[in-house]
Amino acid sequence: KAGVTQTPRYLIKTRGQQVTLSCSPISGHRSVSWYQQTPGQGLQFLFEYFSETQRNKGNFPGRFSGRQFSNSRSEMNVSTLELGDSALYLCASTPVQGAKLFFGSGTQLSVL
Amino acid sequence: SQQGEEDPQALSIQEGENATMNCSYKTSINNLQWYRQNSGRGLVHLILIRSNEREKHSGRLRVTLDTSKKSSSLLITASRAADTASYFCATDGNSGGSNYKLTFGKGTLLTVNP
Repeated sequence: KAGVTQTPRYLIKTRGQQVTLSCSPISGHRSVSWYQQTPGQGLQFLFEYFSETQRNKGNFPGRFSGRQFSNSRSEMNVSTLELGDSALYLCASTPVQGAKLFFGSGTQLSVL
Repeated sequence: SQQGEEDPQALSIQEGENATMNCSYKTSINNLQWYRQNSGRGLVHLILIRSNEREKHSGRLRVTLDTSKKSSSLLITASRAADTASYFCATDGNSGGSNYKLTFGKGTLLTVNP
């Protein structure tokens, strides 16, 4: 089985722009979670999707949004980018809630 | 705020030695998980221990859980240079359904010197 695939691997944007990150979960996994990782704050939960519905959302501003498609693929969008949005964005999938997470390699976003 | 906090923040040992990392958390849990991350990459699941378990083994890994102290430890025996990575504990804070999420600590950076 293919693992969790995140694209792109690296992204450079300027302040004020918007960005869309993509995540393809492992086949059969219906739950997709997103995390932001920074040196200062560590890993912080962004949101979780299950069967195209957002089940839970972390403490992030409304500029951060996401969605999940019928094939379980997920995207997250950050609008009006700020310098502090520079981070590694990780996507993870799991077949059932409470089980282990399978992570992608992440998208390294740099905001200049 | 972080649910889990690892200790120490950094650990440097020689190949062949054992490495012990600790994790403390704040609220009750259903399970606790340990993950490993090589620099700038995704996390890899190592082991999951349920709240009703006290100890679990997987290869060279041994995890203990003390729910009365809200703490867990990860022991890596006979370490190798390839074990160099950051190690994170993650807890579910007894959440479930629409409230479920895993909360990660800030991690322990383990360096194993050849």
